Amino acid sequence: EVQLVESGGGVVQPGGSLRLSCAASGFSFDDYVMHWVRQGPGKGLEWVSLISGDGSDTYSADSVKGRFIISRDNSKNSLYLQMNSLTTEDTAVYFCARDSYGLDVWGTGTTVTVSS
Amino acid sequence: QSALTQPASVSGSPGQSITISCTGTSSDVGGYNYVSWYQQHPGKAPKLMIYAVSDRPSGVPDRFSGSRSGNTASLTISGLQAEDEADYYCSSFTISSTLWVFGGGTKLTVL
Repeated sequence: EVQLVESGGGVVQPGGSLRLSCAASGFSFDDYVMHWVRQGPGKGLEWVSLISGDGSDTYSADSVKGRFIISRDNSKNSLYLQMNSLTTEDTAVYFCARDSYGLDVWGTGTTVTVSS
Repeated sequence: QSALTQPASVSGSPGQSITISCTGTSSDVGGYNYVSWYQQHPGKAPKLMIYAVSDRPSGVPDRFSGSRSGNTASLTISGLQAEDEADYYCSSFTISSTLWVFGGGTKLTVL
């Protein structure tokens, strides 16, 4: 079964850091571009970042550029999002998703709450 | 503010057809065949409904169709059913520095 499972969410103070993980199974992980997408409380989807199959190319939204780093370990079939200098605006459910001419496989999400 | 513009809400009765628009620019929706649509029910992960402007993944009913005219993409749902009530989002590749963008989302109500 093709599956993505996020983990690593939690409550963090403003200015803090958190690292999200996404474990992939059921498909050839390194064949696919992978994305992080987030959704704030009561808000729409916001694209966060993407990484190429071999990890050599990454792109990020302006809202997280310089603070968030996307990476992957193809030997572990895992995707990561290192989040630094967090603000209350980063409070959201974070989804990882597989790119196949559209985001065709999504995880169930992990919740990040930035609060003092 | 989202880079792609969608109506905040649309509604229709069971059996009717509705269309949701997604307006961008020639730098995204109008310039590339990389437009997709997602359905999201409350508390659930989004589901891909249309990719490459008008292609349907396997398992998505043919009541769902996608099209594009100029810089505006559209999702049409025919034969509305109660289970179609959800939020719908468009997305597109963009040549801006961000490379990818979502619309603000449209809430579909089945009356």
